[in-house]
Amino acid sequence: EAQVTQNPRYLITVTGKKLTVTCSQNMNHEYMSWYRQDPGLGLRQIYYSMNVEVTDKGDVPEGYKVSRKEKRNFPLILESPSPNQTSLYFCASSSGTSGATDTQYFGPGTRLTVL
Amino acid sequence: KNEVEQSPQNLTAQEGEFITINCSYSVGISALHWLQQHPGGGIVSLFMLSSGKKKHGRLIATINIQEKHSSLHITASHPRDSAVYICAAMVISNFGNEKLTFGTGTRLTIIP
Repeated sequence: EAQVTQNPRYLITVTGKKLTVTCSQNMNHEYMSWYRQDPGLGLRQIYYSMNVEVTDKGDVPEGYKVSRKEKRNFPLILESPSPNQTSLYFCASSSGTSGATDTQYFGPGTRLTVL
Repeated sequence: KNEVEQSPQNLTAQEGEFITINCSYSVGISALHWLQQHPGGGIVSLFMLSSGKKKHGRLIATINIQEKHSSLHITASHPRDSAVYICAAMVISNFGNEKLTFGTGTRLTIIP
């Protein structure tokens, strides 16, 4: 089954404790992206990747890192989480290189709380 | 002001009613997506369109590039259509980059 998986689905952590949210897709998609969703603000792009070893900042990259060593995986790293990073995070992938002219497939979301 | 605006923010209707959700944008775009987010949080892509109209089952999406406006219609609405509907525009920046910019969503509730 074609899908995007994220882990963990729920995470409660404390300020400053490094964490990684994994994202994996099995559709051989070139484009992958991370978004955060906050009430009243909608979805905002954090980072995106057009292919292996090619990543770029989105609208709200501060406090986040990503890597794309393999086509299928695109982990989101929070080196020193802070409470303002409490949010619902989505990973998405699509087959094109721009990510915006092809259907986007979303992961189930990761709800992160930083205390 | 957001580059992508949706209206209404909330919509409650009776089962069977014809539903319209609007999306307007203030910048140049080359494509627009409609997404559906279920109460459990999962997001599904409904449509991607750059001109004209697309139909899938009871859902119809239209776009008018000149007027910078898109609509999502649901015919014969059903309680299972209750969800948040999000439009996302592929915005072309001054530097020629393209990125998806999202509206804040329309929460639709269909009452049996």
